[in-house]
Amino acid sequence: GAGVSQSPSNKVTEKGKDVELRCDPISGHTALYWYRQSLGQGLEFLIYFQGNSAPDKSGLPSDRFSAERTGGSVSTLTIQRTQQEDSAVYLCASSHFGNQETQYFGPGTRLLVL
Amino acid sequence: AQRVTQPEKLLSVFKGAPVELKCNYSYSGSPELFWYVQYSRQRLQLLLRHISRESIKGFTADLNKGETSFHLKKPFAQEEDSAMYYCALLNTGGFKTIFGAGTRLFVKA
Repeated sequence: GAGVSQSPSNKVTEKGKDVELRCDPISGHTALYWYRQSLGQGLEFLIYFQGNSAPDKSGLPSDRFSAERTGGSVSTLTIQRTQQEDSAVYLCASSHFGNQETQYFGPGTRLLVL
Repeated sequence: AQRVTQPEKLLSVFKGAPVELKCNYSYSGSPELFWYVQYSRQRLQLLLRHISRESIKGFTADLNKGETSFHLKKPFAQEEDSAMYYCALLNTGGFKTIFGAGTRLFVKA
């Protein structure tokens, strides 16, 4: 079946603009994760959804970052007033609930803030 | 604090040579440890997990709680093993996976 998809694959924006990144998880996966991968860094956990709820938002770097999930499926990560340090690859993953150790990753969105 | 450390950013070995990618962790409880791999132009994917005690593509990893390590090993490296490898920790009963910075393995012909 189809894997996790993310859009756009690449995004170039100007400092100060808002951006929206989208993630379509594997059908039936109730758990969804967002990570950020900066150059030379590992994956940084941002947020986790179980269904439409996000039990832990502490990984979001600042209040400019927000995420939502609707219908237990698609999720959107929004970055307001982007800064150059937001430039990174944003990865989304999904899994069955109770099987967090087997996460399926999307291809990522490469964000460049000029 | 929970932390995963991969001390080597780059590891280069010759084909047929043994390879060991190092991973150390810091966690107060009993974590679950994993290795993820990302081949060129492919998605990040799970390679193996310590609870399975399995060998995948010839790779094995043993959890050493005394040394808080989870090194990934393969006795004879192949060119197709060239990839980025990430060690990761999942807190028990949790959902937050902590990744190391990754080690790029380059297997030379």
